[in-house]
Amino acid sequence: AQSVTQPDIHITVSEGASLELRCNYSYGATPYLFWYVQSPGQGLQLLLKYFSGDTLVQGIKGFEAEFKRSQSSFNLRKPSVHWSDAAEYFCAVEGFGNEKLTFGTGTRLTIIP
Amino acid sequence: EPEVTQTPSHQVTQMGQEVILRCVPISNHLYFYWYRQILGQKVEFLVSFYNNEISEKSEIFDDQFSVERPDGSNFTLKIRSTKLEDSAMYFCASRLLGRAPYEQYFGPGTRLTVT
Repeated sequence: AQSVTQPDIHITVSEGASLELRCNYSYGATPYLFWYVQSPGQGLQLLLKYFSGDTLVQGIKGFEAEFKRSQSSFNLRKPSVHWSDAAEYFCAVEGFGNEKLTFGTGTRLTIIP
Repeated sequence: EPEVTQTPSHQVTQMGQEVILRCVPISNHLYFYWYRQILGQKVEFLVSFYNNEISEKSEIFDDQFSVERPDGSNFTLKIRSTKLEDSAMYFCASRLLGRAPYEQYFGPGTRLTVT
C-alpha cells in the first residue's frame, strides 16, 4: 500500500526567506508524486507533479520539487516566499495503475513579515 | 480555464437525513472521484468512478454512500443516513482517461455539517 509522510505539521517562515517542505513516500515502485496547495476555505490546487524523467520539476507560483529515489522523498522548495504563499500544502502519491491519490497530513505554512 | 464545480458550498443537515452532494466535472474528463477531509485531518479517498460504475472504493465508502452520474454532466455523492462523523469537506475531482497518470482536478469542495 502506498503512503505519504509529511513530518512538519506547521512551519513559519519570514517573507522573502527560502522554504523547503518535506515529503516522504512509501511505495514499491516509482510512484507518481504531486504537491497540492489549499488556501483557507478553498479547494486543492495542483502546484507540480512528477511522473518520470528529470527529477527536478518546476511548478506554478515559483515552486519546485526534487524527486530523490534513494531517500523516497519529494521535497517542495521555493527560493523566496511571499505572504500569499501562506496556506496548507499537501504531498500526494499515486501508484502505477492505481488511480487514487493518497495524501499526506499536510504542512501549514505561516509567513511572518 | 475549465474547472470542476460543486454545489452546495455548505450543507447543514440533521443526523439520519439523506444528503446529495453535486459535482460538475470538467466536460471531457471521464474519471471521477470523491475525497473527503475531516477538519484538521488529511484528504482521504472515498471512491473512483468510470464508465458508469465504481472503479475503486475505500473502506470509508460503506453502504451508506452511493455515487451516480445521472446525466452527461453531473456526478453526485449520496449519503443515505448521515452520522455526526460524516461532517467533513467533500471534494470532487475529475481527470482525463488514458494510461498516463493525468492529474486530477479538484473542485472547491462542499462543507457538510451534520448536527
